[in-house]
Amino acid sequence: KAGVTQTPRYLIKTRGQQVTLSCSPISGHRSVSWYQQTPGQGLQFLFEYFSETQRNKGNFPGRFSGRQFSNSRSEMNVSTLELGDSALYLCASSLRQEQETQYFGPGTRLLVL
Amino acid sequence: EDQVTQSPEALRLQEGESSSLNCSYTVSGLRGLFWYRQDPGKGPEFLFTLYSAGEEKEKERLKATLTKKESFLHITAPKPEDSATYLCAVQAWDNAGNMLTFGGGTRLMVKP
Repeated sequence: KAGVTQTPRYLIKTRGQQVTLSCSPISGHRSVSWYQQTPGQGLQFLFEYFSETQRNKGNFPGRFSGRQFSNSRSEMNVSTLELGDSALYLCASSLRQEQETQYFGPGTRLLVL
Repeated sequence: EDQVTQSPEALRLQEGESSSLNCSYTVSGLRGLFWYRQDPGKGPEFLFTLYSAGEEKEKERLKATLTKKESFLHITAPKPEDSATYLCAVQAWDNAGNMLTFGGGTRLMVKP
């Protein structure tokens, strides 16, 4: 089975711009979660989607949003980018909704200048 | 609030020198504890899931154990290819879905 794929792998933006990241889960997986990883804060949960519905949301400002499509693919959007948004954004998928192992993609490295 | 603390932050071992990594957690109710390995520039790779105190799982040179307050990842006779950051994460019953709370990780370096 193919793993979780994320596009693009690398991205450079400037402050004030917006960005959209894409994630394709493992085939058959219906839950998709997003995490932000920085050297200072480590891995932090952004949000999770299951069957096109947001199930849970972390402590991030409203500039961070996401959605899930009927084929389980997911996108996250960050508007009005700030320098502190520079990070590795990781997507993880799992088969079902509860108490499931999450499998991570390679991540999208975002640099905000 | 769920908390996960990993120690040490960094660990240097000689090839063949066994050791253990610690993961201490505070959650209202533990649904599962997960260990991942992360290589530089890559996403975390799943290693183990533990659900209840007393549970143990093994894979090659790695063995994970779980108590009511902490988990250990034992590395037996490590090789240089075991060098990576090892991440511990918990799922809690009071959180909907599959949300994971991660520790800061232990950066392991194994010298030949």
